[in-house]
Amino acid sequence: DIQMTQSPSSLSASVGDRVTITCQASQDISYYLNWYQQKPGKAPKLLIFDASSLKTGVPSRFSGSGSGTDFTFTIISLQPEDVATYYCQQFHTLHPVTFGGGTRVEIK
Amino acid sequence: QVQLVQSGAEVKKPGSSVKVSCKASGGTFSSYAISWVRQAPGQGLEWMGGIIPISGTPKYAQKFQGRVTISTDESTSAAYMELSSLRFDDSAVYYCARGGIMTTVNGAFFYYMDVWGEGTTVTVSS
Repeated sequence: DIQMTQSPSSLSASVGDRVTITCQASQDISYYLNWYQQKPGKAPKLLIFDASSLKTGVPSRFSGSGSGTDFTFTIISLQPEDVATYYCQQFHTLHPVTFGGGTRVEIK
Repeated sequence: QVQLVQSGAEVKKPGSSVKVSCKASGGTFSSYAISWVRQAPGQGLEWMGGIIPISGTPKYAQKFQGRVTISTDESTSAAYMELSSLRFDDSAVYYCARGGIMTTVNGAFFYYMDVWGEGTTVTVSS
């Protein structure tokens, strides 16, 4: 299976800060990567698909980039409502779906 | 707007089985992939497997192969996940998720998961 390594596992930042999360795949997955947000006690919510495409209705302060093995998720200006855990997920066609370990984002 | 409504919480004994249902309200499954994802307390998301109706054959993560059965009933817009030989570490919240299908020359594959159920808590306790 393809392993997805997310870092950091947690971070604390101030409102308005730029927040960056990385996700590294154990092998080339092209652009086959999605990002999800999960708030405590809630189901995950899709934010970005195909590494960099923003789902309709998702605020533009969220963005994604990367291809191959290295991917980045960015919150341009952190807001209080962004407190959540974020997960990457790969969907390489020849391998089972796998998630990264998650990054917990808190407000400083 | 489709919603996925899951069955209620379950408490099971070790060694028994649990079957969780997921019913689409306001939509169908027929053009989408259905995945099952679980989350143990304080842990991350774990894809268990799923089914793509146009291919018909469920796919399972290797970890659950032989213990999990995923099925759908398109006549009732329902999906099911049955996990057998339950262990204490199977205690988790189990989510169903509807998602897109990526179609390539090699076939149809799981893509993103954009509609999620509310989760079903399964507790394995003696």
